[in-house]
Amino acid sequence: AQSVTQPDIHITVSEGASLELRCNYSYGATPYLFWYVQSPGQGLQLLLKYFSGDTLVQGIKGFEAEFKRSQSSFNLRKPSVHWSDAAEYFCAVGPYSGAGSYQLTFGKGTKLSVIP
Amino acid sequence: EPEVTQTPSHQVTQMGQEVILRCVPISNHLYFYWYRQILGQKVEFLVSFYNNEISEKSEIFDDQFSVERPDGSNFTLKIRSTKLEDSAMYFCASSEALQGREYQPQHFGDGTRLSIL
Repeated sequence: AQSVTQPDIHITVSEGASLELRCNYSYGATPYLFWYVQSPGQGLQLLLKYFSGDTLVQGIKGFEAEFKRSQSSFNLRKPSVHWSDAAEYFCAVGPYSGAGSYQLTFGKGTKLSVIP
Repeated sequence: EPEVTQTPSHQVTQMGQEVILRCVPISNHLYFYWYRQILGQKVEFLVSFYNNEISEKSEIFDDQFSVERPDGSNFTLKIRSTKLEDSAMYFCASSEALQGREYQPQHFGDGTRLSIL
């Protein structure tokens, strides 16, 4: 069965600093990979996705992520963090199910705090 | 930008009562999903729905749960006899049809917080 590990429960960075949130997955084939962000009291907003092709994907809000098959990783990065980026970030994997629908398996999330 | 909308935002129910959580998926989407997030835990898949039937369901989605698309816009999750452990945030999501071989991302609503007393 597929699984997702986000090793960092909570990360604190200063505004303007760079950010990397780690995500490792376990799946037998190339998965479909996603990063979602959840602000307090809000739903899950899609930041970016990887299905195939270029392993460096760009997302919204200045985020990017790099798929590394050899490391089974899909780390999220941002060169300069803004105070509004404080939220919880979830990595998710969606394996091919043979149909148009697919179930997402989420990591436990990483809570990001930003120091002004 | 089109959104998935969920109502109510917060539902408080007595244990043993039935509850219906409502969702309006994005209008041109064909695949619908329910997930839940127990406080402090991972977001977990419950069920996916396509063409008026369940596509996949998890082991969490037992006989007390059911889903329905009663009309052209709503997608509902019914919990027949609620238990304390059903207290969670329930998220609805929807996605477009496949485009070629590329899956379309799931778009989530803001969730319904269900509190069982």
